[in-house]
Amino acid sequence: DSGVTQTPKHLITATGQRVTLRCSPRSGDLSVYWYQQSLDQGLQFLIQYYNGEERAKGNILERFSAQQFPDLHSELNLSSLELGDSALYFCASSSTGSAGANVLTFGAGSRLTVL
Amino acid sequence: LAKTTQPISMDSYEGQEVNITCSHNNIATNDYITWYQQFPSQGPRFIIQGYKTKVTNEVASLFIPADRKSSTLSLPRVSLSDTAVYYCLVGARHNAGNMLTFGGGTRLMVKP
Repeated sequence: DSGVTQTPKHLITATGQRVTLRCSPRSGDLSVYWYQQSLDQGLQFLIQYYNGEERAKGNILERFSAQQFPDLHSELNLSSLELGDSALYFCASSSTGSAGANVLTFGAGSRLTVL
Repeated sequence: LAKTTQPISMDSYEGQEVNITCSHNNIATNDYITWYQQFPSQGPRFIIQGYKTKVTNEVASLFIPADRKSSTLSLPRVSLSDTAVYYCLVGARHNAGNMLTFGGGTRLMVKP
């Protein structure tokens, strides 16, 4: 157990629907990162939050949005889902918001299947 | 942004030492180099991190030359369980935040 909790572990839904993925960071970590990993592909950075504020945005579609709440948990909202959104979505946390010693602790991921 | 380049795949045999090199020509002064290991359908796991010269922990060593434009992860005496994808990650600043972009990774296959 890495200490980063992601729910749900698996999710199957239909095209056009909306889903919410949840992440609880490791205790004490203020930064949360979201990554998307499609089948046999690399990890695509989506977005980062630090202590409730958006810090960096990567290749995140406009149909996707995220936020980090005062208790530091984060949610990734995916809407108007398409078949190509099927992927593993990972959340990671770290104790620093700077680019210094950026050690990320990853959760087990949420596997999204869009039919 | 400090992009990274790694070999797509490598094969090795049990008991051998494996060295995976990552190129990061545009590394910034404040960037650290971090390596992660990922098994299928699992989140990446931290292996080792360094800034310059050599770092060693219980599972690996990391060699970084003086110009820091590359780094080499060394796995001593690999076993079948070391079969995984290895990612080199260099920290980047983007508008005072992090944009930690993983490269394609190196798929290591350890054979008996």
